[in-house]
Amino acid sequence: GEDVEQSLFLSVREGDSSVINCTYTDSSSTYLYWYKQEPGAGLQLLTYIFSNMDMKQDQRLTVLLNKKDKHLSLRIADTQTGDSAIYFCAERGDTGRRALTFGSGTRLQVQP
Amino acid sequence: DADVTQTPRNRITKTGKRIMLECSQTKGHDRMYWYRQDPGLGLRLIYYSFDVKDINKGEISDGYSVSRQAQAKFSLSLESAIPNQTALYFCATSDSGQPRAQYFGPGTRLLVL
Repeated sequence: GEDVEQSLFLSVREGDSSVINCTYTDSSSTYLYWYKQEPGAGLQLLTYIFSNMDMKQDQRLTVLLNKKDKHLSLRIADTQTGDSAIYFCAERGDTGRRALTFGSGTRLQVQP
Repeated sequence: DADVTQTPRNRITKTGKRIMLECSQTKGHDRMYWYRQDPGLGLRLIYYSFDVKDINKGEISDGYSVSRQAQAKFSLSLESAIPNQTALYFCATSDSGQPRAQYFGPGTRLLVL
């Protein structure tokens, strides 16, 4: 079945850029999403990208999509301690499946 | 007020008990979902519903049942709780248009003893 993979942990210093990577297997993916989960909270939609786009920028967030390699990344510029959280990549295919497939999440730790 | 609410937020129960988790939304979305989250496993889909009369099993539906009482309400039941159902449970909603992103409730933390 479809699979989404992420590295488990990333540590950066405050003010640096963070890059969180994700790979997926579904070649029919139509939309890909990034969610943020803070401790004790639900998942918050950060951004999404349509599969015919290569890049999307939204303030400090930049999403890059390499559809050929099925690779998605989320870059956070000027990372702040408030960005410490778990980040989930998710994809939605166009194969008749009706829900999102999530990665296992990347825990971002921002060191002061 | 939150758009997607879940009750209770925390629940401790014993093996064999029947429990219900409830979800309500004010977003006006027609689609609703139940997920469970276990450490290191991401989110796994339990059930989803596209409208009141359209309910579908997800990848891990065994041991669970759902009821869509109205467009805004979707409840999840554990008929006879077991310890490996200890997890964090999330309800989510989406509309039927693009990009069909899902919006999540705050979660219910369930402990089965």
